[in-house]
Amino acid sequence: GENVEQHPSTLSVQEGDSAVIKCTYSDSASNYFPWYKQELGKRPQLIIDIRSNVGEKKDQRIAVTLNKTAKHFSLHITETQPEDSAVYFCAAQETDKLIFGTGTRLQVFP
Amino acid sequence: GAGVSQSPSNKVTEKGKDVELRCDPISGHTALYWYRQSLGQGLEFLIYFQGNSAPDKSGLPSDRFSAERTGGSVSTLTIQRTQQEDSAVYLCASSRQSQRGYFFGPGTRLTVL
Repeated sequence: GENVEQHPSTLSVQEGDSAVIKCTYSDSASNYFPWYKQELGKRPQLIIDIRSNVGEKKDQRIAVTLNKTAKHFSLHITETQPEDSAVYFCAAQETDKLIFGTGTRLQVFP
Repeated sequence: GAGVSQSPSNKVTEKGKDVELRCDPISGHTALYWYRQSLGQGLEFLIYFQGNSAPDKSGLPSDRFSAERTGGSVSTLTIQRTQQEDSAVYLCASSRQSQRGYFFGPGTRLTVL
Protein backbone atom coordinates (compact mmCIF):
# COMPACT_ATOMS: atom_id res chain seq x y z
CA GLY A 1 0.00 0.00 0.00
CA GLU A 2 0.84 3.67 -0.10
CA ASN A 3 3.52 5.01 2.23
CA VAL A 4 4.03 8.75 2.72
CA GLU A 5 7.14 10.20 4.33
CA GLN A 6 7.31 13.84 5.40
CA HIS A 7 10.28 16.05 6.33
CA PRO A 8 11.22 17.89 8.41
CA SER A 9 9.28 16.99 11.54
CA THR A 10 9.83 20.48 12.95
CA LEU A 11 10.68 23.74 11.23
CA SER A 12 11.36 27.13 12.77
CA VAL A 13 11.58 30.26 10.63
CA GLN A 14 11.70 33.99 11.15
CA GLU A 15 8.63 35.96 10.14
CA GLY A 16 8.91 36.95 6.50
CA ASP A 17 11.13 34.01 5.54
CA SER A 18 10.01 31.11 3.37
CA ALA A 19 9.23 27.59 4.58
CA VAL A 20 9.40 24.38 2.57
CA ILE A 21 7.99 21.00 3.60
CA LYS A 22 8.72 17.90 1.54
CA CYS A 23 6.91 14.60 1.11
CA THR A 24 7.60 11.43 -0.80
CA TYR A 25 5.14 8.69 -1.69
CA SER A 26 5.54 5.11 -2.82
CA ASP A 27 2.53 4.26 -5.02
CA SER A 28 2.95 5.51 -8.56
CA ALA A 29 -0.82 5.13 -9.07
CA SER A 30 -1.56 7.94 -6.59
CA ASN A 31 -2.94 10.97 -8.39
CA TYR A 32 -4.23 13.37 -5.72
CA PHE A 33 -2.09 15.15 -3.13
CA PRO A 34 -3.69 17.51 -0.59
CA TRP A 35 -2.10 19.47 2.23
CA TYR A 36 -3.78 20.10 5.57
CA LYS A 37 -3.06 22.64 8.31
CA GLN A 38 -3.88 21.78 11.90
CA GLU A 39 -3.72 24.53 14.49
CA LEU A 40 -3.34 23.57 18.14
CA GLY A 41 -6.49 21.90 19.40
CA LYS A 42 -8.29 22.35 16.09
CA ARG A 43 -9.34 20.07 13.25
CA PRO A 44 -7.15 19.61 10.15
CA GLN A 45 -8.19 21.94 7.32
CA LEU A 46 -7.44 21.59 3.64
CA ILE A 47 -5.25 24.47 2.45
CA ILE A 48 -4.22 23.39 -1.04
CA ASP A 49 -4.21 20.31 -3.24
CA ILE A 50 -2.72 19.18 -6.52
CA ARG A 51 -3.53 16.48 -9.03
CA SER A 52 -1.02 14.49 -11.00
CA ASN A 53 -1.80 16.20 -14.29
CA VAL A 54 -0.18 19.44 -13.13
CA GLY A 55 3.27 20.20 -11.77
CA GLU A 56 2.60 23.30 -9.68
CA LYS A 57 -0.29 25.14 -8.11
CA LYS A 58 -0.31 28.48 -6.28
CA ASP A 59 -2.74 30.20 -3.96
CA GLN A 60 -1.48 33.55 -2.68
CA ARG A 61 1.48 32.80 -0.36
CA ILE A 62 1.14 29.03 -0.68
CA ALA A 63 2.33 26.82 -3.51
CA VAL A 64 2.64 23.10 -4.05
CA THR A 65 4.91 21.36 -6.52
CA LEU A 66 4.71 17.76 -7.71
CA ASN A 67 7.35 15.61 -9.36
CA LYS A 68 5.63 12.39 -10.45
CA THR A 69 8.80 10.83 -11.79
CA ALA A 70 10.58 11.18 -8.46
CA LYS A 71 7.36 10.64 -6.49
CA HIS A 72 7.73 13.67 -4.30
CA PHE A 73 5.75 16.83 -3.65
CA SER A 74 6.44 19.94 -1.61
CA LEU A 75 4.62 22.77 0.12
CA HIS A 76 6.10 26.25 -0.13
CA ILE A 77 4.98 29.10 2.11
CA THR A 78 6.39 32.52 1.31
CA GLU A 79 6.46 35.63 3.52
CA THR A 80 5.59 33.56 6.58
CA GLN A 81 3.50 35.11 9.33
CA PRO A 82 3.01 34.06 12.98
CA GLU A 83 -0.48 32.80 12.12
CA ASP A 84 1.13 30.24 9.79
CA SER A 85 2.37 28.44 12.92
CA ALA A 86 0.68 25.03 12.96
CA VAL A 87 1.22 21.38 12.09
CA TYR A 88 1.09 20.68 8.37
CA PHE A 89 0.22 17.26 6.93
CA CYS A 90 0.74 16.07 3.40
CA ALA A 91 -1.31 13.19 2.01
CA ALA A 92 -1.51 10.95 -1.03
CA GLN A 93 -4.60 9.26 -2.38
CA GLU A 94 -4.55 5.45 -2.24
CA THR A 95 -7.58 4.27 -4.26
CA ASP A 96 -10.40 5.32 -1.94
CA LYS A 97 -8.63 6.97 0.99
CA LEU A 98 -5.89 9.40 1.92
CA ILE A 99 -2.65 8.26 3.49
CA PHE A 100 -1.10 11.00 5.58
CA GLY A 101 2.46 11.94 6.37
CA THR A 102 3.54 12.24 9.99
CA GLY A 103 3.29 16.03 10.04
CA THR A 104 5.59 19.05 10.26
CA ARG A 105 5.35 21.45 13.16
CA LEU A 106 6.04 24.92 11.76
CA GLN A 107 6.88 27.74 14.15
CA VAL A 108 7.12 31.28 12.82
CA PHE A 109 8.89 33.66 15.17
CA PRO A 110 8.06 37.39 15.03
CA GLY B 1 -23.97 25.10 5.80
CA ALA B 2 -23.08 23.04 8.85
CA GLY B 3 -19.76 21.28 8.88
CA VAL B 4 -18.91 17.80 10.12
CA SER B 5 -19.86 17.35 13.75
CA GLN B 6 -18.77 14.73 16.25
CA SER B 7 -19.92 13.74 19.71
CA PRO B 8 -18.92 13.59 22.42
CA SER B 9 -16.05 16.04 22.23
CA ASN B 10 -14.38 14.33 25.15
CA LYS B 11 -14.83 10.86 26.59
CA VAL B 12 -13.11 9.43 29.64
CA THR B 13 -13.70 5.77 30.29
CA GLU B 14 -12.30 2.94 32.32
CA LYS B 15 -10.30 0.13 30.80
CA GLY B 16 -12.59 -2.67 29.68
CA LYS B 17 -15.65 -0.52 29.03
CA ASP B 18 -17.28 -0.06 25.61
CA VAL B 19 -17.54 3.36 23.97
CA GLU B 20 -19.50 4.75 21.03
CA LEU B 21 -18.33 7.75 19.03
CA ARG B 22 -20.69 9.55 16.67
CA CYS B 23 -20.10 11.44 13.44
CA ASP B 24 -22.54 13.61 11.51
CA PRO B 25 -21.12 14.31 8.04
CA ILE B 26 -21.92 17.24 5.81
CA SER B 27 -25.28 16.73 4.14
CA GLY B 28 -24.90 15.15 0.71
CA HIS B 29 -21.41 13.83 1.31
CA THR B 30 -21.43 10.17 0.33
CA ALA B 31 -17.91 9.34 1.52
CA LEU B 32 -17.14 9.16 5.24
CA TYR B 33 -13.83 8.32 6.92
CA TRP B 34 -12.60 7.61 10.42
CA TYR B 35 -9.01 8.38 11.41
CA ARG B 36 -7.16 8.18 14.70
CA GLN B 37 -4.59 10.71 15.88
CA SER B 38 -2.44 9.80 18.84
CA LEU B 39 -0.67 12.53 20.82
CA GLY B 40 1.78 14.33 18.55
CA GLN B 41 1.33 11.75 15.82
CA GLY B 42 -0.05 11.66 12.31
CA LEU B 43 -3.44 10.57 11.07
CA GLU B 44 -4.00 6.82 11.04
CA PHE B 45 -6.73 5.56 8.69
CA LEU B 46 -9.34 3.31 10.30
CA ILE B 47 -12.31 2.81 7.93
CA TYR B 48 -14.02 4.27 4.87
CA PHE B 49 -17.73 4.32 4.03
CA GLN B 50 -19.30 4.92 0.65
CA GLY B 51 -22.97 5.34 1.41
CA ASN B 52 -23.83 2.74 4.00
CA SER B 53 -21.26 0.18 2.94
CA ALA B 54 -17.66 -0.03 4.11
CA PRO B 55 -15.49 -1.16 1.20
CA ASP B 56 -12.30 -0.51 3.16
CA LYS B 57 -11.97 -1.57 6.80
CA SER B 58 -8.27 -2.28 6.51
CA GLY B 59 -7.24 0.23 9.17
CA LEU B 60 -9.28 -1.11 12.07
CA PRO B 61 -6.62 -2.16 14.64
CA SER B 62 -8.46 -5.17 16.05
CA ASP B 63 -11.83 -6.88 16.19
CA ARG B 64 -12.67 -4.70 19.20
CA PHE B 65 -13.24 -1.88 16.72
CA SER B 66 -16.34 -1.71 14.55
CA ALA B 67 -18.28 0.98 12.72
CA GLU B 68 -21.55 1.40 10.96
CA ARG B 69 -23.29 4.05 8.93
CA THR B 70 -27.02 4.37 8.52
CA GLY B 71 -29.15 6.29 6.04
CA GLY B 72 -26.03 7.32 4.20
CA SER B 73 -25.47 9.86 6.94
CA VAL B 74 -24.59 9.34 10.62
CA SER B 75 -21.78 6.96 11.50
CA THR B 76 -20.91 5.35 14.80
CA LEU B 77 -17.49 3.98 15.74
CA THR B 78 -17.65 1.45 18.56
CA ILE B 79 -14.69 0.30 20.60
CA GLN B 80 -15.33 -2.69 22.83
CA ARG B 81 -13.33 -3.58 25.93
CA THR B 82 -11.26 -0.41 25.67
CA GLN B 83 -7.53 -0.52 26.38
CA GLN B 84 -5.20 2.30 27.41
CA GLU B 85 -3.56 2.23 23.97
CA ASP B 86 -6.93 3.21 22.48
CA SER B 87 -6.50 6.69 23.98
CA ALA B 88 -6.34 9.16 21.08
CA VAL B 89 -8.33 11.74 19.19
CA TYR B 90 -10.76 10.06 16.79
CA LEU B 91 -11.42 12.20 13.74
CA CYS B 92 -14.23 11.79 11.28
CA ALA B 93 -14.15 13.33 7.79
CA SER B 94 -16.54 13.45 4.88
CA SER B 95 -16.27 14.33 1.20
CA ARG B 96 -18.67 14.60 -1.68
CA GLN B 97 -17.06 11.54 -3.21
CA SER B 98 -13.82 9.71 -2.80
CA GLN B 99 -10.68 11.23 -4.29
CA ARG B 100 -11.67 14.69 -3.18
CA GLY B 101 -10.58 16.87 -0.29
CA TYR B 102 -11.88 15.91 3.11
CA PHE B 103 -13.74 18.06 5.60
CA PHE B 104 -12.81 16.99 9.11
CA GLY B 105 -14.90 17.09 12.25
CA PRO B 106 -13.55 18.49 15.52
CA GLY B 107 -12.72 15.03 16.82
CA THR B 108 -13.51 13.06 19.96
CA ARG B 109 -10.72 12.91 22.52
CA LEU B 110 -10.87 9.46 24.12
CA THR B 111 -9.02 8.81 27.35
CA VAL B 112 -8.93 5.28 28.73
CA LEU B 113 -7.88 5.11 32.37
